[in-house]
Amino acid sequence: EIVLTQSPGTLSLSPGERATLSCRASQSVRSNNLAWYQQKPGQAPRLLIYGASRRATGIPDRFSGSGSGTEFILTINRLEPQDFAVYYCEQYESSPFTFGPGTKVDIK
Amino acid sequence: QVQLQESGPGLLKPSETLSLSCTVSGGSIGSYYWSWIRQSPGKGLEWIGYIHYRGGTNYNPSLKSRVSISVDTSKNQFFLKVNSVTTADTAVYYCARIATGSSWSHFDYWGQGSLVTVSA
Repeated sequence: EIVLTQSPGTLSLSPGERATLSCRASQSVRSNNLAWYQQKPGQAPRLLIYGASRRATGIPDRFSGSGSGTEFILTINRLEPQDFAVYYCEQYESSPFTFGPGTKVDIK
Repeated sequence: QVQLQESGPGLLKPSETLSLSCTVSGGSIGSYYWSWIRQSPGKGLEWIGYIHYRGGTNYNPSLKSRVSISVDTSKNQFFLKVNSVTTADTAVYYCARIATGSSWSHFDYWGQGSLVTVSA
């Protein structure tokens, strides 16, 4: 099973700042089969990024994904008020599919 | 726009069977894989398993002995059963579509979630 570790656990930032979220995999995600989701309280996760760097339909270009192998990054440029949420990475490289524990981006 | 909606009992006693259904609207259940995922405070997001519209399944080994997923293409629905529940099965259960028609893909559409509480 591929274990995903996310850091930091919480990121306190102000609107307009840049957020950099890390996701580390215990084994190589060779095909870049990694996704990022955003979740707000009381809502289901929403797909942001798939294939490590491809934005999902309707996702603003201030969200970007990068990385390969075991190290992946989600960058959110110019944080807007609606971006404060919890972010999860997920690998679908191998079964069982697994999620990271999440990074909470909150308002400083 | 594809929409998914979970339904089923919200309160169970230990040792009972959890049964949930997911109704797909705005698109056909055909050509895709469909998944169940749960979220509890203690374990975060946990993938339970998936089913292909033709019936093939794959389950998380951590739950495999107690879980079954089935599909009814005529009703555009798929289903989850978890046997012998304990308080550790208390969670919000989501149904989701696996994108692209391959099992090795991300989850592009999610239901709103159904809270299931297991309590004596």
